[in-house]
Amino acid sequence: SQTIHQWPATLVQPVGSPLSLECTVEGTSNPNLYWYRQAAGRGLQLLFYSVGIGQISSEVPQNLSASRPQDRQFILSSKKLLLSDSGFYLCAWRGVYGYTFGSGTRLTVV
Amino acid sequence: QKEVEQDPGPLSVPEGAIVSLNCTYSNSAFQYFMWYRQYSRKGPELLMYTYSSGNKEDGRFTAQVDKSSKYISLFIRDSQPSDSATYLCAMSEDTDKLIFGTGTRLQVFP
Repeated sequence: SQTIHQWPATLVQPVGSPLSLECTVEGTSNPNLYWYRQAAGRGLQLLFYSVGIGQISSEVPQNLSASRPQDRQFILSSKKLLLSDSGFYLCAWRGVYGYTFGSGTRLTVV
Repeated sequence: QKEVEQDPGPLSVPEGAIVSLNCTYSNSAFQYFMWYRQYSRKGPELLMYTYSSGNKEDGRFTAQVDKSSKYISLFIRDSQPSDSATYLCAMSEDTDKLIFGTGTRLQVFP
C-alpha cells in the first residue's frame, strides 16, 4: 500500500532563517506530488506541484521554493523565512481517487 | 468571488442528528468532487469521491452533486462524537490541482 511521510511535525524558526521540509512517498512510482499550505480560515492553498523528477510548477509567487531530487521525494525550502510563512504545510500525492495527504508540519516563524 | 465557497461554521449538533454540509462553486468545468475530513492537527483524509452529478452513499455518509446549481452536499446520518472534525470540500476540472473550500468545523456533542 502507498504511504506518505512528512517531517518534522512541528517547527519553530526565527525570521530570516532557512527552511527545509521533506516529504517521501512509498509504494508508488512517478507520483504527482503537491505542497499545500493551510492557514486559519483560508483553506488549503496549493503552493507547488510536481509531475516528475526536476519538474516543479509554482502556483503562488512567494518566499518558498520546491525541489524534487528523486522520484518519491519532494522538498519545500526557503532561504529566509518571513512571519507570513507560518502555517500548516501539507504534502500530498495523487492517487486514482483524490489525494492522500501527509500528517503535516506546523511551522511557526517567530 | 472565491472559486469554492464553504460556510466555516462551527456547526454544533447533538449525537444522532443528521448533519448537512454544503459547498458552492463558480467554475462550471469542475467535474471531480471530494469531501475530506480533518481532525485537529492532522492531515485531511478522503471521505467521499464523486465524479460529475449524482449521489453516492457510503455507510452513514451521502455525497450529492448538483452541477446545474453548482452545489455539493455531504450528509452524515446518526452523527457521532467521533465525527467531530473539520470537513473540507474539494473539486477539480481533471484529477489534478484540487481546489479546496475553507472547511466547516463540526462538533457533535453526546
